[in-house]
Amino acid sequence: RKEVEQDPGPFNVPEGATVAFNCTYSNSASQSFFWYRQDCRKEPKLLMSVYSSGNEDGRFTAQLNRASQYISLLIRDSKLSDSATYLCVVVSNDYKLSFGAGTTVTVRA
Amino acid sequence: SQTIHQWPATLVQPVGSPLSLECTVEGTSNPNLYWYRQAAGRGLQLLFYSVGIGQISSEVPQNLSASRPQDRQFILSSKKLLLSDSGFYLCAWSVTRGSGYTFGSGTRLTVV
Repeated sequence: RKEVEQDPGPFNVPEGATVAFNCTYSNSASQSFFWYRQDCRKEPKLLMSVYSSGNEDGRFTAQLNRASQYISLLIRDSKLSDSATYLCVVVSNDYKLSFGAGTTVTVRA
Repeated sequence: SQTIHQWPATLVQPVGSPLSLECTVEGTSNPNLYWYRQAAGRGLQLLFYSVGIGQISSEVPQNLSASRPQDRQFILSSKKLLLSDSGFYLCAWSVTRGSGYTFGSGTRLTVV
């Protein structure tokens, strides 16, 4: 089983729609979590950390479910500029970062 | 502010040729440094990380090596490239292990 798994998508949504997707992880001792955004042929950039109580950053909401071992990202009021691949990152208790292969989101006009 | 520089942006090399990719970080001291590779359609694979000058940890066996001759310089090398070495190579730094990373702009390597 992969350490971090994501639905590759693509999620094709119209502008203004809400899109949400999950990332599952296998190590129950994982201690911290992040979402990164990667545009085509570019480097990944940190989008947001994921806190135990859930957190929002503008139109983006991240949630953590430790019992079921997944994190989620929800994007409200999608913009064309939200089109990208979203990478899930899980940090183990020995500081090892594991990256998911990414979920591709395409927002259409 | 901290910045990370990585070069070259693209590289086409023949099989069997050597490789040297350089990464430097500015605006911080004693960063944790990392080399990742991203193959097409796949997740990032950690190749090496370094917590200080001369300290290199290798995550996967391969024909690549890394060195950290200065605090803010991280070099990825190979004596003889293989076709399977093609990919997108990313350098990254973090303040502490396990904290969020900042990536360089990457080097897209094609071995022909």
